[in-house]
Amino acid sequence: GAGVSQTPSNKVTEKGKYVELRCDPISGHTALYWYRQSLGQGPEFLIYFQGTGAADDSGLPNDRFFAVRPEGSVSTLKIQRTERGDSAVYLCASSSGVTDTQYFGPGTRLTVL
Amino acid sequence: EDQVTQSPEALRLQEGESSSLNCSYTVSGLRGLFWYRQDPGKGPEFLFTLYSAGEEKEKERLKATLTKKESFLHITAPKPEDSATYLCAVQVSAGTALIFGKGTTLSVSS
Repeated sequence: GAGVSQTPSNKVTEKGKYVELRCDPISGHTALYWYRQSLGQGPEFLIYFQGTGAADDSGLPNDRFFAVRPEGSVSTLKIQRTERGDSAVYLCASSSGVTDTQYFGPGTRLTVL
Repeated sequence: EDQVTQSPEALRLQEGESSSLNCSYTVSGLRGLFWYRQDPGKGPEFLFTLYSAGEEKEKERLKATLTKKESFLHITAPKPEDSATYLCAVQVSAGTALIFGKGTTLSVSS
C-alpha cells in the first residue's frame, strides 16, 4: 500500500516568509509525528497528533511553528517569519496505534535564504 | 535527561567484512528500541523493534540485539548496497515520540 507522502519535496524561501509543509499519512494511521533533521544529526521531535488533537507539542522550538490535523488524516506544519536557522529536512511519520512502529515519509527539505 | 548515543560515527568496511554498530541509551523507561536505515535524501526506513533485554531480531545480513543499557546492530558479510546511515531510537512510553541518536554512517566497498 501507499506509504507516508510529503509535499513539497523541496522548498526554498526567503527569510521572513511564511511556509506550509504537508504530510499525508498511511491510510488508517491515527498517530502522526513531525520531526526535524539537520545535517549529520538524528531526527528531533516537534509535535505528535493522536487523531485531530495535538497530544504533545513540547518539541516545537517557538511560537512561529504551528501544526494542524483538522480531519485526523492530513497534517500541515506551518512556519511563520522563517529564519535561516529553520533550514532543515522536515520529516513526518505515522503509526497505526496497534504497533509502536513509526513509518516515515521522504521529508521536505526547507532552505531559508 | 533521556539520551541515545551511537558509535562509531562512521564505519568503513570491505565487502564481506563483518562488524557491529553500537547504540547506548540512558532513559527513564524503555517501551522499545528501534533501528532505522536512512539513505541520502530519503526518510528513515524501519528495520527492527526490540522490546526487552535478550531479544534478538534478524533480517538478511542484519541482526539486532538488546541489553539493559545498549543495542547492537550486527552486519554479517556486508555488501555495497548495505551502505547507508543507521539510526537508533528509543521510545519511553507507548505512542510517544522517538528519541534518536546521531546515527552511524556505514560505507561498504567492493
